[in-house]
Amino acid sequence: GQQVMQIPQYQHVQEGEDFTTYCNSSTTLSNIQWYKQRPGGHPVFLIQLVKSGEVKKQKRLTFQFGEAKKNSSLHITATQTTDVGTYFCAGPGDRANAGNMLTFGGGTRLMVKP
Amino acid sequence: DTEVTQTPKHLVMGMTNKKSLKCEQHMGHRAMYWYKQKAKKPPELMFVYSYEKLSINESVPSRFSPECPNSSLLNLHLHALQPEDSALYLCASSSSGSGSRETQYFGPGTRLLVL
Repeated sequence: GQQVMQIPQYQHVQEGEDFTTYCNSSTTLSNIQWYKQRPGGHPVFLIQLVKSGEVKKQKRLTFQFGEAKKNSSLHITATQTTDVGTYFCAGPGDRANAGNMLTFGGGTRLMVKP
Repeated sequence: DTEVTQTPKHLVMGMTNKKSLKCEQHMGHRAMYWYKQKAKKPPELMFVYSYEKLSINESVPSRFSPECPNSSLLNLHLHALQPEDSALYLCASSSSGSGSRETQYFGPGTRLLVL
């Protein structure tokens, strides 16, 4: 079945440094979504990428979808303590008539030292 | 209003207890989901309801029993749970559940501890 792998599992950065998390799928994805979960919180939708090679920006966050639609990345420029949390990528489920099943990557936990 | 609410926030129960988790949304969404999340792991899908019908059951043990009384409400009935069922239980909703591009809106979750 479809697998979505995410690296790294953990990342410690000094405030102001950049951060990148990578997501790789074993199969081509029709789209990929990114969620952020703060410590003690719940996943919150950040963005969805649909087109091959798509790049979207949200302030200091840059999201990319690979040309082959099998990988994606999230880059944060000049991290702040408010960026702390776990970032998950999620692809659609691989079952027919699966509705909106999401297959989550393992997540990357970002810790920012002030 | 893009809020999904869940009650209770925390629940401690014994292995012989029966309890229920509740989830509510007023976004007019017709798909609702239950996820289980263990510490430092991603959410794992348990059930999907689409238009108040159970459309997906991810081989969840029968001690978990979902119910969708109407399009705004989703319950998860718990009975004879095991300590390994302790986790954060997340409810989510999306507009129809029929497309792979729908955003899912998550509730704050219920932290369950089974003793």
